[in-house]
Amino acid sequence: LAKTTQPISMDSYEGQEVNITCSHNNIATNDYITWYQQFPSQGPRFIIQGYKTKVTNEVASLFIPADRKSSTLSLPRVSLSDTAVYYCLVGDGDTGFQKLVFGTGTRLLVSP
Amino acid sequence: ETGVTQTPRHLVMGMTNKKSLKCEQHLGHNAMYWYKQSAKKPLELMFVYSLEERVENNSVPSRFSPECPNSSHLFLHLHTLQPEDSALYLCASSLDQGNSYEQYFGPGTRLTVT
Repeated sequence: LAKTTQPISMDSYEGQEVNITCSHNNIATNDYITWYQQFPSQGPRFIIQGYKTKVTNEVASLFIPADRKSSTLSLPRVSLSDTAVYYCLVGDGDTGFQKLVFGTGTRLLVSP
Repeated sequence: ETGVTQTPRHLVMGMTNKKSLKCEQHLGHNAMYWYKQSAKKPLELMFVYSLEERVENNSVPSRFSPECPNSSHLFLHLHTLQPEDSALYLCASSLDQGNSYEQYFGPGTRLTVT
C-alpha cells in the first residue's frame, strides 16, 4: 500500500502562509497527489490535486518536485477557519484503483 | 453542501437491531464509497462501487452489508453490530476516472452501538 508521511501537527497565526509537506516514496507512475481538509464531525473536503510541477486554485497551491516523492500544500494567508486536519493522499501503487488511503493527517491550528 | 447527502445523521442502536444507512449523490457521479472513521484513527475504506458493481471490499465483517441499487444511491445495512463499530460512517462519490482521486464526501452518520 502507498504510504504518506506528514507532520502530526502545525501551528500558525492568522495572515501567515502555511506549507504542509508530505512524503510519498511509493507513488505509482500514473497516480495523482490529492489533498483533503476535514473539520470535526464532517466528511473530508477536496482541496487540490496535481500530478507534477505546480497547481493553483482559489484556495491553495500544490508544489510537486520532479521525482514526485513528496508534495507541499501551500495555504496563503490562513484564517481561523482554516483550523482543520489536512490529509495528503496518493493512489494505491498496487491496485491503481481510486483507493484513497488516509493517514493520520496534519492537524493545523490557526491562532489570532 | 457537497451534493452528497446521508441519512440519518445520528443513529443509536442496540447490538441486536437491524438498521440501514442511506447515501444519495446529486452530482452525476458513477462511483460511490463507504468509509469508517473511528475516534483517533484514520479513515478506513470499507466498500467501493463503480457503475453499481462492487469493486472493492476491504475485509469488512459480514455484519456490514452494502447495497447500490443505482449510481445515485448507496446503502449500508447493519445487523448484530458490536460496540467497537461505533464510529462516523462517511459516504463519498466520484467520477470513475482511473487515477483521479477527487471524491466528494457527505456529512456522515454518527453511529453509536449500545
